[in-house]
Amino acid sequence: DGGITQSPKYLFRKEGQNVTLSCEQNLNHDAMYWYRQDPGQGLRLIYYSQIVNDFQKGDIAEGYSVSREKKESFPLTVTSAQKNPTAFYLCASSGGQVGSYYGYTFGSGTRLTVV
Amino acid sequence: EDQVTQSPEALRLQEGESSSLNCSYTVSGLRGLFWYRQDPGKGPEFLFTLYSAGEEKEKERLKATLTKKESFLHITAPKPEDSATYLCAVRDDYKLSFGAGTTVTVRA
Repeated sequence: DGGITQSPKYLFRKEGQNVTLSCEQNLNHDAMYWYRQDPGQGLRLIYYSQIVNDFQKGDIAEGYSVSREKKESFPLTVTSAQKNPTAFYLCASSGGQVGSYYGYTFGSGTRLTVV
Repeated sequence: EDQVTQSPEALRLQEGESSSLNCSYTVSGLRGLFWYRQDPGKGPEFLFTLYSAGEEKEKERLKATLTKKESFLHITAPKPEDSATYLCAVRDDYKLSFGAGTTVTVRA
């Protein structure tokens, strides 16, 4: 079945440590997105990529980095510069007519906690 | 800048008690208004897309409507399995902008 796979489901980060969240899709979608979700707030866009080897900052990119070397993969690195990384991270993709109708297809999320 | 405001933040209903959720939006050029359902600890699941004022979509106990400034999600005779957070989003050229969501709890 086609879909988006995020891993790990739970991740713990120590102070000063960089961590990478994985996002893989087999939907053949061109565009991929990373959102952060905090209690009581809407999903906030971190980074997005519309084609391979190209990506743009979203509304809250500081302290995060991404790469898009393959169409299927869009990993997110949370760096030590991100001072409040504890949140639920969602990866999404969209493409063509499907994307126009459904908006996004979401992964199941990664919950990151600073310990 | 696109803005999406959802109300109320939380809604507690008795099973069978119908109600409505509101999504107000401002966007320069609406290319779709989307409703998603999100269960705790999971990613959002697609419910509806609305494109133009006056449009309506239905799915089981849910009905979504759209005007030029807002959308409503009507829940008719809800059941406990309808308990979830309902997210509204609007689309511009390249991304979706989301509201904070309405958390609905339906008691048996």
